[in-house]
Amino acid sequence: DTEVTQTPKHLVMGMTNKKSLKCEQHMGHRAMYWYKQKAKKPPELMFVYSYEKLSINESVPSRFSPECPNSSLLNLHLHALQPEDSALYLCASSQGLGREITGELFFGEGSRLTVL
Amino acid sequence: AQTVTQSQPEMSVQEAETVTLSCTYDTSESDYYLFWYKQPPSRQMILVIRQEAYKQQNATENRFSVNFQKAAKSFSLKISDSQLGDAAMYFCAYCRKTSYDKVIFGPGTSLSVIP
Repeated sequence: DTEVTQTPKHLVMGMTNKKSLKCEQHMGHRAMYWYKQKAKKPPELMFVYSYEKLSINESVPSRFSPECPNSSLLNLHLHALQPEDSALYLCASSQGLGREITGELFFGEGSRLTVL
Repeated sequence: AQTVTQSQPEMSVQEAETVTLSCTYDTSESDYYLFWYKQPPSRQMILVIRQEAYKQQNATENRFSVNFQKAAKSFSLKISDSQLGDAAMYFCAYCRKTSYDKVIFGPGTSLSVIP
């Protein structure tokens, strides 16, 4: 199984709503990531979890709250978002335990978020 | 700080022809990885090819090959016998071996394949 699964694929929310994005991988990877991607732009790193602990937070506004309940799951909780937060949110994982470090990222298909 | 530059925002290639996408990067590190990722429209991003800085031999994966020039800090991707399915955004990327979890992406090149 080489998949990273993200749900939902599409999400529309108002600025006062609270919603969550979910990500799951069963490749035994020890690092999981959230990226934000605008159209025709490269992914921008938001958060990294390594061994279920938050290791990188790229100065993301607090209206985005990540959570890693276990080694296979990654959530991104959304609250009081702004229209400029509309984007494709990508989850990725990397680095199987005990394997050579390769740096390769395995991406999900993304959750397309629209904030009204 | 490390940076990755792709000077060609858009490119096109005739089906079955060969195309080369350019990438340059800036780093003071000696041990790092370079990658080319492909993102087709509305589909997930996948790794096309990976190069370790210490390996002088250029990486190849079927129709995809790279020209890695370490001294010039250049890492171009050659796609041979282009197919319609090659149409996508291509991102060049870099990471230090010691911080593999912080990948730096270039701005991307949008490749169109003309039938």
